[in-house]
Amino acid sequence: GAGVSQTPSNKVTEKGKYVELRCDPISGHTALYWYRQSLGQGPEFLIYFQGTGAADDSGLPNDRFFAVRPEGSVSTLKIQRTERGDSAVYLCASQEGPLGGELFFGEGSRLTVL
Amino acid sequence: DQQVKQNSPSLSVQEGRISILNCDYTNSMFDYFLWYKKYPAEGPTFLISISSIKDKNEDGRFTVFLNKSAKHLSLHIVPSQPGDSAVYFCAASEGGGADGLTFGKGTHLIIQP
Repeated sequence: GAGVSQTPSNKVTEKGKYVELRCDPISGHTALYWYRQSLGQGPEFLIYFQGTGAADDSGLPNDRFFAVRPEGSVSTLKIQRTERGDSAVYLCASQEGPLGGELFFGEGSRLTVL
Repeated sequence: DQQVKQNSPSLSVQEGRISILNCDYTNSMFDYFLWYKKYPAEGPTFLISISSIKDKNEDGRFTVFLNKSAKHLSLHIVPSQPGDSAVYFCAASEGGGADGLTFGKGTHLIIQP
């Protein structure tokens, strides 16, 4: 596709459940980012991939959060034992390469934990 | 601790006038600054950026000014148009690129007819 695609666009789950959020970056972009945007806040950095490897995962809040990018393209953000405080919009962005440049964001996945 | 601060949650400007959105930062290692625009239910889209070696960058109706000594940047939109109504995020990074951006909380700009 032409842009960054994220699925699902909306996810409602119950506290304690497991959730997966998917990101399909722009074709050929080697860098991929996950951000989380809570209500009234700006996007907060979670994790950055360069190719298949997580180059920086310092933003992941705790060990319930994990992300993979096994083939250097599609990435999945996984959240175990969800809590109400995990409710937010999870944004994915891709970037052409490691030397910087514009981040292209997807529309986000809105997660609601009841 | 907010390293990028946008102290105005909202700003209302009349159509045709100048909109000025402000941003302050505390991390002196930041050397690349960006503005993103966000409409409801959409992801942020890149608007304009500036490197710390410059103090001004202009792109059409949009100009970003950087005052490094004051750790302050601003986005000027002139003339403001109804389609400019959106949330504007200021973002900053170290290392000269756009990786690992730190965002402000955003300013909701409302252009009134």
